[in-house]
Amino acid sequence: GIQVEQSPPDLILQEGANSTLRCNFSDSVNNLQWFHQNPWGQLINLFYIPSGTKQNGRLSATTVATERYSLLYISSSQTTDSGVYFCAVDTGAQKLVFGQGTRLTINP
Amino acid sequence: DVKVTQSSRYLVKRTGEKVFLECVQDMDHENMFWYRQDPGLGLRLIYFSYDVKMKEKGDIPEGYSVSREKKERFSLILESASTNQTSMYLCASSRGLAGGQETQYFGPGTRLLVL
Repeated sequence: GIQVEQSPPDLILQEGANSTLRCNFSDSVNNLQWFHQNPWGQLINLFYIPSGTKQNGRLSATTVATERYSLLYISSSQTTDSGVYFCAVDTGAQKLVFGQGTRLTINP
Repeated sequence: DVKVTQSSRYLVKRTGEKVFLECVQDMDHENMFWYRQDPGLGLRLIYFSYDVKMKEKGDIPEGYSVSREKKERFSLILESASTNQTSMYLCASSRGLAGGQETQYFGPGTRLLVL
């Protein structure tokens, strides 16, 4: 089956710093999504991005489907950005395969 | 706003017990999903359903079953709980658009501990 790998596994930054999270996938996919899981466990969709670039405030994401990777950019980090970031690829019929996540800690 | 609720945030059960995890969504979504989340492994799909009384196996269905008697409710059943089923369980739903190009909405999760 398809493999999804995220890097880095852990990232610790000071408030105000910028960060880039990467997601590599091993095969063609219908769709790719980025999620944020807050410290209480709630998972929220950030981007639905099968290809191209999208921006939402301080967050942006780029997927290069031909090269099988996606990047999530967080600028001017805030403590509320802490949590685990997952990318998930849709292999068809909404069956999502998740990466193992990047745990981001933003210190004040 | 879409709301997906799960019956318990924390649950402690003993080995061999039958365990029911309930999930309810209030947005008339067609699709519902059960995942488990373990450290270092991300989320893995256990079962999903595209319609009432319909179910499909995900990537790790062994030891689990599901029930969807009503559109809004999707239950995960551990017939005989084992310690290796200690995990965080997450339910999700989606509208079921043609082509499947849409996001999933997640519940808050249930942390299950099997002793």
